[in-house]
Amino acid sequence: AQKVTQAQTEISVVEKEDVTLDCVYETRDTTYYLFWYKQPPSGELVFLIRRNSFDEQNEISGRYSWNFQKSTSSFNFTITASQVVDSAVYFCALPLLDDYKLSFGAGTTVTVRA
Amino acid sequence: EPEVTQTPSHQVTQMGQEVILRCVPISNHLYFYWYRQILGQKVEFLVSFYNNEISEKSEIFDDQFSVERPDGSNFTLKIRSTKLEDSAMYFCANRQSSYNEQFFGPGTRLTVL
Repeated sequence: AQKVTQAQTEISVVEKEDVTLDCVYETRDTTYYLFWYKQPPSGELVFLIRRNSFDEQNEISGRYSWNFQKSTSSFNFTITASQVVDSAVYFCALPLLDDYKLSFGAGTTVTVRA
Repeated sequence: EPEVTQTPSHQVTQMGQEVILRCVPISNHLYFYWYRQILGQKVEFLVSFYNNEISEKSEIFDDQFSVERPDGSNFTLKIRSTKLEDSAMYFCANRQSSYNEQFFGPGTRLTVL
C-alpha cells in the first residue's frame, strides 16, 4: 500500500508552546518525495516543504522544522513558539509515481490559543 | 509570484444541473490535477491531465465528470448531472515538471441542493 497516516486528529496548544505533528508513510518506491501543506481557515492549500528520500537531513525554516527518518518511515513537522496564525489543518502528502498525484493524510487540526 | 486562480469561488446549484469549474494554471506548468475535499475530510485525488489528455483518474471520477483545456490556458472540470454528494471544495493544482511540488488554487466550494 502507498499511504500517509496522520494519527493526531487535533492538537490544541497555548501560544508560544511547541507543537509536533506526526506523519508516517508507506511506499513501495525506493525513490520518493514527501510534502507538507497548510490549510488555514480560509481554505486554501499552502505548500510548506518538499523532501526527497535521498536527503535525510533535517530542515529548519524560521519557526518550522522537519524531521525525516527513513528508518521509521516518518516525516514529522514541528512548529516552535506557536502563534495564533499557525492555527490551521496541516496535511502530509506522498506523491505517487508515475503520475505524482498526491495521496494526502487525514490532516491534523492545530489550534493555537492566545 | 505567479499563482493558480479558480472561478467561481462558490457555486450553488440544484441537483441534476451541470456545473463547470474553471482554473487558470501557472503559465509554464505542464501537469494538471483536480482534487476534492468534502467538508471536514481529507483531500482526495480526482484526475490528472497532461499533454491534453487524462493521465489517470480515481474511482470517484465517473462518467459524470470530464476535464478539458479548451483554449490552452484554462483547465476545466465539468460535472454533468450533480448529486448531493458532489458538494465539496474542488481544488485545481499544477506542477512544472516531474520533481516539483504541486501548487494549488484557492478552491471552488460547490454546494448541491
